[in-house]
Amino acid sequence: KAGVTQTPRYLIKTRGQQVTLSCSPISGHRSVSWYQQTPGQGLQFLFEYFSETQRNKGNFPGRFSGRQFSNSRSEMNVSTLELGDSALYLCASSPLSLAGVPGYEQYFGPGTRLTVT
Amino acid sequence: AQSVAQPEDQVNVAEGNPLTVKCTYSVSGNPYLFWYVQYPNRGLQFLLKYITGDNLVKGSYGFEAEFNKSQTSFHLKKPSALVSDSALYFCAVRPPNTDKLIFGTGTRLQVFP
Repeated sequence: KAGVTQTPRYLIKTRGQQVTLSCSPISGHRSVSWYQQTPGQGLQFLFEYFSETQRNKGNFPGRFSGRQFSNSRSEMNVSTLELGDSALYLCASSPLSLAGVPGYEQYFGPGTRLTVT
Repeated sequence: AQSVAQPEDQVNVAEGNPLTVKCTYSVSGNPYLFWYVQYPNRGLQFLLKYITGDNLVKGSYGFEAEFNKSQTSFHLKKPSALVSDSALYFCAVRPPNTDKLIFGTGTRLQVFP
């Protein structure tokens, strides 16, 4: 099976712009979660989607949003980019919702490296 | 507050020696515990998990971890380290009745030839 894929792998944007990142989960996986990784804050949970519904959201401002499509692919959007949004954005998938079957591990993609200048 | 602590920023070990990467957690109830490894410019790779049952969990690449409820710890171990084990290791906990993983700050493992 192919792993989790994320596009693009690298992105450079200017402060104030918006950006959309894409994630394709492992085939058959229906839960997609997003994480932000920075040297200062480490790995932080952004949100989880399952069956096109947002199940949980981390402590991020409303500029961060996401959605999931019927084929389980997910996108996250960051509007009005700030310098502090520079990070590695990781997408992870699991077969079912983490709430429904809590023992499932998540499988991560390679990430999208976003640089805001 | 729910949290995960990895007290060592870096662990250095000689190839062939045993290694331990420490992790302690603070959550209410019985958590689900995970270890992930991250190589440069890569995402996180799942190593092992503890859900319930035997306190010693075996995972990928010869790694194992021991769950200790009284000490709220979940240390990662390997009997004989390889240079290729050099990477960034993350401990994570999923508190009961939540949908998200809480990660530790990561420990960089350096294995010297």
